[in-house]
Amino acid sequence: LAKTTQPISMDSYEGQEVNITCSHNNIATNDYITWYQQFPSQGPRFIIQGYKTKVTNEVASLFIPADRKSSTLSLPRVSLSDTAVYYCLVAAAGNNRKLIWGLGTSLAVNP
Amino acid sequence: SAVISQKPSRDICQRGTSLTIQCQVDSQVTMMFWYRQQPGQSLTLIATANQGSEATYESGFVIDKFPISRPNLTFSTLTVSNMSPEDSSIYLCSVEDPGSPTLEAFFGQGTRLTVV
Repeated sequence: LAKTTQPISMDSYEGQEVNITCSHNNIATNDYITWYQQFPSQGPRFIIQGYKTKVTNEVASLFIPADRKSSTLSLPRVSLSDTAVYYCLVAAAGNNRKLIWGLGTSLAVNP
Repeated sequence: SAVISQKPSRDICQRGTSLTIQCQVDSQVTMMFWYRQQPGQSLTLIATANQGSEATYESGFVIDKFPISRPNLTFSTLTVSNMSPEDSSIYLCSVEDPGSPTLEAFFGQGTRLTVV
């Protein structure tokens, strides 16, 4: 299972774009990259998933370079409500997969 | 998507007692996962519960301490037995919706357990 490394914490201000990079040097060919968001006293919530290149949805973009050894979650124009812990996970699709959770990145958005 | 109802949401228990946490899903799922998350820490997988078979436990977790039931495809329970203060944590139930094109995981709100 590929291990991920991401910054422990980040600070930002309202209205800024936030980019959180995750390293996954040992990613396997059939692994997908998934990002989750967790607020205090809640379970994690899926944000975005990708395999390669760029993926965009209504809340974020995910940039994955050609070698797939890293990925960057981009949050456009963050607000105070984006203050949360963001987890990067790498796992293959399939019935026997398990998700390995790292420490995540604690993002603090300041007014 | 899948909606998960987990209860109780929180409890304060005496050491030596047991607590059973329930997880109800609004759709049928093959695998249900139980996690523990200690304050300020990441999620640690306790076990995977499959309907019709014994749960599969991760290293460091044993069935005598964390017995799991999975009577059908929409329900599971996790019991924390003979509790000690070290068991104080948030316990989370999770499923993966096979109907989801992204195979994303869905989580319950968690059970915040405090053992005194």
